[in-house]
Amino acid sequence: AQTVTQSQPEMSVQEAETVTLSCTYDTSESDYYLFWYKQPPSRQMILVIRQEAYKQQNATENRFSVNFQKAAKSFSLKISDSQLGDAAMYFCAYRSFYTGANSKLTFGKGITLSVRP
Amino acid sequence: DAGVTQSPTHLIKTRGQQVTLRCSPKSGHDTVSWYQQALGQGPQFIFQYYEEEERQRGNFPDRFSGHQFPNYSSELNVNALLLGDSALYLCASSFFLGEGNQPQHFGDGTRLSIL
Repeated sequence: AQTVTQSQPEMSVQEAETVTLSCTYDTSESDYYLFWYKQPPSRQMILVIRQEAYKQQNATENRFSVNFQKAAKSFSLKISDSQLGDAAMYFCAYRSFYTGANSKLTFGKGITLSVRP
Repeated sequence: DAGVTQSPTHLIKTRGQQVTLRCSPKSGHDTVSWYQQALGQGPQFIFQYYEEEERQRGNFPDRFSGHQFPNYSSELNVNALLLGDSALYLCASSFFLGEGNQPQHFGDGTRLSIL
């Protein structure tokens, strides 16, 4: 079974600064997908960024980028130019490649990010 | 384009009762997954429905059951409620034959409180 670990329960960043959220995972599979989701107080899970394990290039989406280290099974999220609206809970999630496009997501426990004005 | 909608938004029940939660998937999606998110924790997969059948199931007891209707909407039923069932229940939808990297789209959840 796959597991996802987010060992930092809380992080804080100054507005306009950069912050990195850590995530590690454990799997015996060679192909899989990784996701970062954001959950603001409104509760809805919003996709931030995704990474395919078979792609060596790190994914980027505007101010969000990942550092994907497959050998180390590490998948960190970097948020540049932090904004007040980035304050939320962030979840790292894993999906198997082999059990189909609709495989379940396995989530970490999440990191609460606060942004100081 | 309507996203995933869930009802009700908040529900209060007592131990031993039964509850039904409802979910309508995003337009164009045919697969519904349910997750339980305890306070301060990440979501845990309950089960997934496609073509009105349960396709995958997480480590949840038989007290948790579901249904999918021909219009792709879904229900989550929980019998003999326990205090530990208090959580946010999230519904997520997707297209079964979509690309493997497609994200699941989540609703706002139903907050279930057991007294």
